[in-house]
Amino acid sequence: LAKTTQPISMDSYEGQEVNITCSHNNIATNDYITWYQQFPSQGPRFIIQGYKTKVTNEVASLFIPADRKSSTLSLPRVSLSDTAVYYCLVGPPIMTTDSWGKFQFGAGTQVVVTP
Amino acid sequence: NAGVTQTPKFRVLKTGQSMTLLCAQDMNHEYMYWYRQDPGMGLRLIHYSVGEGTTAKGEVPDGYNVSRLKKQNFLLGLESAAPSQTSVYFCAIGLASYEQYFGPGTRLTVT
Repeated sequence: LAKTTQPISMDSYEGQEVNITCSHNNIATNDYITWYQQFPSQGPRFIIQGYKTKVTNEVASLFIPADRKSSTLSLPRVSLSDTAVYYCLVGPPIMTTDSWGKFQFGAGTQVVVTP
Repeated sequence: NAGVTQTPKFRVLKTGQSMTLLCAQDMNHEYMYWYRQDPGMGLRLIHYSVGEGTTAKGEVPDGYNVSRLKKQNFLLGLESAAPSQTSVYFCAIGLASYEQYFGPGTRLTVT
C-alpha cells in the first residue's frame, strides 16, 4: 500500500534550486515527514525531517503546508554531487509492531544534475 | 556510515546454502533494522529490533531469521538461500523510526 507519491525523476542544471514534492494525503496526526538521499552503491542518508511549517539545515529545506498533505524538499544551488535518489517517508516517531508498515521506502525520485 | 558496519561486503552463495550477515553498531542505538534493495527499487524492511532480545517482522520476512542477543549486534540469517534473495542488504540503526543511519551494504548473489 503506497503511502507517499513523488515524481520518478527530475533533471536540473548545476546552480539551480531543485524542489521535490511528495504527496501524503493520508498522513496521520502523529506522523513525521522524513527525507533520505541515496547515492549509487551506498546506503540511504538521512537528510531532514519535519512535522509542520518549515525546517532548514545545512543540506536542505523542508516545507510543509498547514494541511500536511504534501511536503517539498528544496535543494538550493545543486551541484553534480547532488545527483542521487531522494526518498520521502511518512511515519510515526516510534516504530512498533503496528506501525512499521507506515515507514516504507518507495521508489524515490531520481535527481540528475548536469553541468 | 555513522558507526554501522556490515560483514561481509560481498558474498556469492549457491542455492540451498546458508549464511549470516552481521550488523554491528558503536552508537548504542536501541533500534536496528535489516532492509533489502533490489535493482531500481526502494528498500524493503525485512526484520527490525527495538531493543536487545527483541525482533519483529517487517514487510518481507519470509526466508530470513534474525537475532539480537547483544544490543550492538543484529544478525540476519538465510537458512536456505534462493536466487530470489539476490539483493543488496542494508542494516540501519536509529533512536526513532524516522531517523535512521545506514551501513554500507552487503551485496549478495545466489546462483
